[in-house]
Amino acid sequence: NAGVTQTPKFRILKIGQSMTLQCTQDMNHNYMYWYRQDPGMGLKLIYYSVGAGITDKGEVPNGYNVSRSTTEDFPLRLELAAPSQTSVYFCASRGQESYEQYFGPGTRLTVT
Amino acid sequence: AQSVTQLDSQVPVFEEAPVELRCNYSSSVSVYLFWYVQYPNQGLQLLLKYLSGSTLVKGINGFEAEFNKSQTSFHLRKPSVHISDTAEYFCAVSERDTGGFKTIFGAGTRLFVKA
Repeated sequence: NAGVTQTPKFRILKIGQSMTLQCTQDMNHNYMYWYRQDPGMGLKLIYYSVGAGITDKGEVPNGYNVSRSTTEDFPLRLELAAPSQTSVYFCASRGQESYEQYFGPGTRLTVT
Repeated sequence: AQSVTQLDSQVPVFEEAPVELRCNYSSSVSVYLFWYVQYPNQGLQLLLKYLSGSTLVKGINGFEAEFNKSQTSFHLRKPSVHISDTAEYFCAVSERDTGGFKTIFGAGTRLFVKA
């Protein structure tokens, strides 16, 4: 039972490069989330989705984009990487009738 | 929830001692409350949750938490900690809003258990 999977685990980007962080869940959850975690700051919501084809901005969406073409996948796109995007990124999902979120193992991104 | 405050950023404690990690929140509506644990280099895992009913909630690994509505608190406790409890703990609060459910996480409390 894989749960929420994220790739890659680690990545180093140069300023101005772009990349996509992948997130897949196999629990048939409607809700999916992207967070970034910075030391001492907890988790900040970047984008979320309530179902395939529907996405919305969270607290810190600038510099990111998402899409949700299927229930399973929720990729996060960084178009022009900046040092301020150095962080650990977590994807999470939640079922329609449950309230807790299930988290992936995270992607550690460094932008230099 | 307008905010979630974890009152201690770090809590060092000796093995087999009791521990309390404090969490306060502000909200004007009914909320659902959670504690998550994050072991080094891993994602968050649910420790326990309060949705309704008894205000004392028991979770995994011997942890429990008590919801105090009047004090808007949800403190996490364990009577005797182990080295393996060393981790970061996050309090989270969910409430309904126009977009469905909104969840806010606290900044985290790093629990360090010493031998």
